Amino acid sequence: QSVLTQPPSVSAAPGQKVTISCSGSSSNIGNNYVSWYQQLPGTAPKLLIYENNKRPSGIPDRFSGSKSGTSATLGITGLQTGDEADYYCGTWDSSLSALFGGGTKLTVL
Amino acid sequence: QVQLVQSGAEVKKPGASVKVSCKASGYTFTSYGISWVRQAPGQGLEWMGWISAYNGNTNYAQKLQGRVTMTTDTSTSTAYMELRSLRSDDTAVYYCARGVDYSSWGQGTLVTVSS
Repeated sequence: QSVLTQPPSVSAAPGQKVTISCSGSSSNIGNNYVSWYQQLPGTAPKLLIYENNKRPSGIPDRFSGSKSGTSATLGITGLQTGDEADYYCGTWDSSLSALFGGGTKLTVL
Repeated sequence: QVQLVQSGAEVKKPGASVKVSCKASGYTFTSYGISWVRQAPGQGLEWMGWISAYNGNTNYAQKLQGRVTMTTDTSTSTAYMELRSLRSDDTAVYYCARGVDYSSWGQGTLVTVSS
């Protein structure tokens, strides 16, 4: 059971928009930056979003992040079949331990 | 470009130890720490700990305290993660990642613990 709560799965049609939520508490998300990671099948995770809403170079602006209070959200617009993957949120807790959400499987119908 | 290349798959018996390496290139090794994350089959990501490549300071997950040791060799830009007293539930893919935002990841090392 992860401290950070994500929906197990989300789905949407190609070209549509989807959001993935990540819920925590004041001892983790509420007082720390949130990152998001994409894990394509059979591969290592990749950083998508850091410091709540910043994109590393090479990550398209179809991917966006936001944070409000003790929750964070990943948004993906213009869905493509290549976006089918597991998505994880991550942050830190008050003891400087890193935390990950349980992961959300995105299906592009 | 930043690259983290990990050592190959391992099969170990319960009670044994495993040491996974992670060789970094494409950046100044001592400017970033190395984090270790593992993923059991079909499961999510689990943070194991972090080591500063600058001064060797470590921060381990409480769950693994006493069984895990992370080290670095700055002469070869390589980080190591040793896990002792292996159990079947330690079977997982082990990843190294750069820094605390995991901006780059290794390809993963499968460690299988089985009698």
